[in-house]
Amino acid sequence: EVQLVESGGGFVQPGGSLRLSCAASEFIFSNYWMHWVRQVPGRGLAWVSRISTDGSTTIYADSVKGRFSVSRDNAKNTLYLQMNSLRAEDSATYFCVREGCSGVSCYFHHWGQGTQVIVSS
Amino acid sequence: QSALTQPASVSGSPGQSITISCTGTSSDINFYNYVSWYQQHPGKAPKLMMFEVSHRPSGVSYRFSGSKSGNTASLTISGLQPEDEADYFCSSYTSRNTPWVFGGGTKLSVL
Repeated sequence: EVQLVESGGGFVQPGGSLRLSCAASEFIFSNYWMHWVRQVPGRGLAWVSRISTDGSTTIYADSVKGRFSVSRDNAKNTLYLQMNSLRAEDSATYFCVREGCSGVSCYFHHWGQGTQVIVSS
Repeated sequence: QSALTQPASVSGSPGQSITISCTGTSSDINFYNYVSWYQQHPGKAPKLMMFEVSHRPSGVSYRFSGSKSGNTASLTISGLQPEDEADYFCSSYTSRNTPWVFGGGTKLSVL
């Protein structure tokens, strides 16, 4: 069974930084594009970022572009999200997600349990 | 405010059928057949229930079905069971700068 375990969340002041990690197991990590998706209680889900299998291609939501950076270490089976210049509106639970693709479309197939980030003074 | 619009809540009795709608625009649902649906129980991670509008992943009950008409996608659950009580989110690929968008979620109550 696919395992995705996020860590690194916590409490940080506005303007601060945090690095999230996602440890992947029970599948060949280097074969899959990966995403970060966040969820604010009562406000639904929001896509954050996507990274290619080798890490060479990344894309971000407009709301985090220039502040967040996604990366991966395939040797360690780990996905990262470096979050800088954090704002109160970045407070959310952050999910690591393995992409699934059918050959026609891609979707959010397997989700981790999430790690909570709170940005507050 | 979410890019896709879902009703805040729906309810049904065990054995009944319900449908959750997800309304988008010509930039997403109407243009692409890349709608997916996710089920989330309280305190749990979302679970993929449908992809490409109407395709069920392995292990998802046949009681779940999906469809699309114009700007609106729908998830229908037939033969409601107590364990279906959860939040449901739709998602679509979009031609906008942020390539994936979600609905605000629908809370399903099985009365």
